Amino acid sequence: AQTVTQSQPEMSVQEAETVTLSCTYDTSESDYYLFWYKQPPSRQMILVIRQEAYKQQNATENRFSVNFQKAAKSFSLKISDSQLGDAAMYFCAYSPVQGAQKLVFGQGTRLTINP
Amino acid sequence: NAGVTQTPKFRVLKTGQSMTLLCAQDMNHEYMYWYRQDPGMGLRLIHYSVGEGTTAKGEVPDGYNVSRLKKQNFLLGLESAAPSQTSVYFCASKKGGSTGELFFGEGSRLTVL
Repeated sequence: AQTVTQSQPEMSVQEAETVTLSCTYDTSESDYYLFWYKQPPSRQMILVIRQEAYKQQNATENRFSVNFQKAAKSFSLKISDSQLGDAAMYFCAYSPVQGAQKLVFGQGTRLTINP
Repeated sequence: NAGVTQTPKFRVLKTGQSMTLLCAQDMNHEYMYWYRQDPGMGLRLIHYSVGEGTTAKGEVPDGYNVSRLKKQNFLLGLESAAPSQTSVYFCASKKGGSTGELFFGEGSRLTVL
């Protein structure tokens, strides 16, 4: 079974600085999707960024980028120029390409932004 | 643009009571999912459905039942609620076989006393 591990329960960063959230996963599949979701206090789950495993190029979305290391099964999220609105729980998630595409989530990392 | 709607948003139950959570999506998505979120454990899959009339068990199905009689609705039932079922429940949907994202509802907070 696939598993996703986020080893940092909590992280904090100064406003305008850069922070990296870690995620590792385990799978025997060669093709799959990886995601980072943000959950602010409103509880809404918001997709931050998506990576397709067959693409070697790391995904970027404005201030958010990933470091995808397929061989190491590592998928970290870098947030540049941190803003107060980035404060949230962040979840890493894995999805197979085939079948019901059930998302498997990590435990989450709570990110605090210090003004 | 409703997306995925969950009702109710909050509910308090006594042990042994039953209830149903309703999830409705207006995007004509084939796949629908029920997750529960507990502190330190992320989101865990309870049940899912890949189409109208089909359901399957996820990672933590015990104590829950589901039905998908209509494509747009996915119901999660608790027949005899237990305090261990105190949690935040999320419904999600996606277009089958796509690379697209999962669309989530706003969550339903359930407390079992």
